[in-house]
Amino acid sequence: QLQLQESGPGQVKPSETLSLSCTVSGGSVSNTDYYWGWVRQPPGEGLEWIGNVCSNGNIFYKASLRSRVSMSMDTSRNQFSLMLSSVTAADTAVYYCARRGRNCFKTACFAFDYWGQGILVTVPS
Amino acid sequence: QSALTQPPSAPGSPGQSVTISCTGTSSDVGGYDSVSWYQQHPGKAPKLMIYEVTKRPSGVPDRFSGSKSGNTASLTVSGLQAEDEADYYCMSFADSNKLVFGGGTKLTVL
Repeated sequence: QLQLQESGPGQVKPSETLSLSCTVSGGSVSNTDYYWGWVRQPPGEGLEWIGNVCSNGNIFYKASLRSRVSMSMDTSRNQFSLMLSSVTAADTAVYYCARRGRNCFKTACFAFDYWGQGILVTVPS
Repeated sequence: QSALTQPPSAPGSPGQSVTISCTGTSSDVGGYDSVSWYQQHPGKAPKLMIYEVTKRPSGVPDRFSGSKSGNTASLTVSGLQAEDEADYYCMSFADSNKLVFGGGTKLTVL
């Protein structure tokens, strides 16, 4: 059974860089049938896609966050990571890592089928 | 990329059916058969309920079904049960390899 687990600091100071990791067990981040992504949810609000990364080098970010976001993978640790720079209180949210199907013949194409439990990151105002 | 439009609330009585709409544009919902739906209970991670407009992952009851017409996708929950009360989000693939979520709909079982 695939499992994803987010890790990182629960609080980041304004103007600093938020850095989170997602450790995958029960599957490999090297599998190119999947993208590995980040989704966030501000308290009491809806879901927001941040970006996806694939081990073949493909990376896609939400346009409005592109200037501040960076994603990477560490296949040796079976992890992928998110960095968000110059954070403000508006970046306070629960951050989820998730797996998204890429191979439409073998996976739930375009959909996030496995999610981590989420991690709350607070940026004080 | 603007968020997809969902009604904020969708009430229904036990045993009845309720349909939640998700409206986008030809650049997302209308352009791709990629809409997925997620159920989220308070304090929990989202759960995939429907993908590629109409497909159900293993383990999702067949009371949940999806459809699409033009730029609007829909999720129908039939035979409403108390445990169906949750927030529901649609998501669509969009031009330039982007993803966009709807604003969410709170399904209330009266």
